[in-house]
Amino acid sequence: TQLLEQSPQFLSIQEGENLTVYCNSSSVFSSLQWYRQEPGEGPVLLVTVVTGGEVKKLKRLTFQFGDARKDSSLHITAAQTGDTGLYLCAGARVQGAQKLVFGQGTRLTINP
Amino acid sequence: KAGVTQTPRYLIKTRGQQVTLSCSPISGHRSVSWYQQTPGQGLQFLFEYFSETQRNKGNFPGRFSGRQFSNSRSEMNVSTLELGDSALYLCASSATGAPFNYGYTFGSGTRLTVV
Repeated sequence: TQLLEQSPQFLSIQEGENLTVYCNSSSVFSSLQWYRQEPGEGPVLLVTVVTGGEVKKLKRLTFQFGDARKDSSLHITAAQTGDTGLYLCAGARVQGAQKLVFGQGTRLTINP
Repeated sequence: KAGVTQTPRYLIKTRGQQVTLSCSPISGHRSVSWYQQTPGQGLQFLFEYFSETQRNKGNFPGRFSGRQFSNSRSEMNVSTLELGDSALYLCASSATGAPFNYGYTFGSGTRLTVV
């Protein structure tokens, strides 16, 4: 059983559409991070959210941390082909924060 | 500044052999963590080293071991390789040893194939 459940696992949409990816858990996290990984490379950090209810924007990407710090979402507006990749959420548990626990990832494909 | 460097990028080994993977963290980063990534299990935490000391260990058998040197470079070793050890092994460094604040910087990984 994954500590962090991401949905959907796979998503294929057309360029210009909007999408939301979810990251859910029954555990509380001191922080939650989102990474994007491209084939043959390691994950790259996109954002860290720390406060319950926090919303952060990175150009067309909007990240939200749930009020109870158990879940998060990533919303992409007007998706572009360059957004294609594996999106991973990762949480730092309140106890044992020296390591991150990763979700299974959402493989996103943006079609031209 | 240079990123996290992992060597080699690709490796093919035979069952029963052992392998050593290397990771050079970002200059000044004292924390190095290792993860195994497979299609079925995703990223699984192996262990974390901080100032040459192992601080955390994941749920992997004793065949998986690691160490960190005084210059923060780290190596991980897998002995008696099994087919199921085929994976992308990722090294990640963190400045503070508390990645919950600043996150990890990952290397490109070592793709290990066991045949």
